[in-house]
Amino acid sequence: QTVVTQEPSLTVSPGGTVTLTCASSTGAVTRGYNANWFQQKPGQAPRSLIYNTNNKHSWTPAQFSGSLLGGKAALTLSGVQPEDEAEYYCLLYCDGAWVFGGGTKLTVL
Amino acid sequence: QVQLVQSGTEVKKPGASVKISCKASGYTFTSYHIHWVRQAPGQGLEWMGIINPGSGVTNYAQKFQGRVTMTRDTSASTVYMDLSSLTSEDTAVYYCARELNIEWTYWGQGTLVTVSS
Repeated sequence: QTVVTQEPSLTVSPGGTVTLTCASSTGAVTRGYNANWFQQKPGQAPRSLIYNTNNKHSWTPAQFSGSLLGGKAALTLSGVQPEDEAEYYCLLYCDGAWVFGGGTKLTVL
Repeated sequence: QVQLVQSGTEVKKPGASVKISCKASGYTFTSYHIHWVRQAPGQGLEWMGIINPGSGVTNYAQKFQGRVTMTRDTSASTVYMDLSSLTSEDTAVYYCARELNIEWTYWGQGTLVTVSS
């Protein structure tokens, strides 16, 4: 069973830039892993932000972007705002199954 | 607008089964896959499986094989997730989510299932 790993926590200052990553235990993440990224705030359902590595939904704020970086999927937040404080999850498609990362708790401080 | 509306909170005893519904509206029901994802208290998201509402074809995560059944009622635009042999470790919020061509989009509001004797 593939294990997907994210940073457990990150802290960023308001207005700053932060990159969250998503690694697969099977090797380098490529576009074929179809990475999706989600934001979840306490007590709420997850909200989809990015699909297929770097594609945004119509509702995805402009400061969010997805990419591949050093063999991992990555989510970059630019010009971070206090309301971006949340848990972020990546999701990879691995050998016919979807696997979530453990999540990154992003603190804006 | 697209909505996925799930059934309400459930409390079950160990060994019982639970059936949760996810009613879709605002789009062509049979054109999009529905996934089920759960989240135990204070924990991360866990993928359980997928159903194609058009064909009824399912694919379950290995962990839940033999214990989960996903079905659909096209006349009611509703997908169901049945989980059997419940234990306390199945206590979680269960979500349905829509996907097509690897693009995950809308999520249901979640259904809390508590398993307790």
